Amino acid sequence: GAVVSQHPSRVICKSGTSVKIECRSLDFQATTMFWYRQFPKQSLMLMATSNEGSKATYEQGVEKDKFLINHASLTLSTLTVTSAHPEDSSFYICSARHRGLPEAFFGQGTRLTVV
Amino acid sequence: AQSVSQHNHHVILSEAASLELGCNYSYGGTVNLFWYVQYPGQHLQLLLKYFSGDPLVKGIKGFEAEFIKSKFSFNLRKPSVQWSDTAEYFCAVNARSNDYKLSFGAGTTVTVRA
Repeated sequence: GAVVSQHPSRVICKSGTSVKIECRSLDFQATTMFWYRQFPKQSLMLMATSNEGSKATYEQGVEKDKFLINHASLTLSTLTVTSAHPEDSSFYICSARHRGLPEAFFGQGTRLTVV
Repeated sequence: AQSVSQHNHHVILSEAASLELGCNYSYGGTVNLFWYVQYPGQHLQLLLKYFSGDPLVKGIKGFEAEFIKSKFSFNLRKPSVQWSDTAEYFCAVNARSNDYKLSFGAGTTVTVRA
């Protein structure tokens, strides 16, 4: 069945640096990818939706210049956290969906710690 | 836009007890419904889903859920829980009219005591 791979699973970076997270659909074409953020003991909050070949649509309150999303191919989307600060430390999760299907499949998540 | 409400924030029960977690959604159109589980320190796993057809859905690990359209509900049940069911449970809903964006409930922490 549909497999979504997210890399890295954990990353620690220094404050002020940028971090790139990759989300790959391994066995299907992901026409849409979603990026979520989960703080400890909280639910998943949708950050942005990206469709292949077009600009991402960000949810209200999410800074598009801070969280850069690229979805250049049907199997890969990337989230870059620019100029990371400790408050950006969180669990980032992607999901991928094929056109015409109602279900999106989740990656394993990336735990980002900014020190 | 749709929203999801999970009634129980934290449920504590003993092994072999029955579990029911409430989930209500607000959306006027056709929806797809999901229950996910997140074990401590792990990623999300799909327990079950409802798109159409039989409103009683059976999932993995002995879980089931019933879609009651008139009540906008999709409650999760398990007749007899095990210690390994200790986890966070999330109800989620999406709709074609909202580009299949998933909205999650706040989650319910389930603690099963041995």
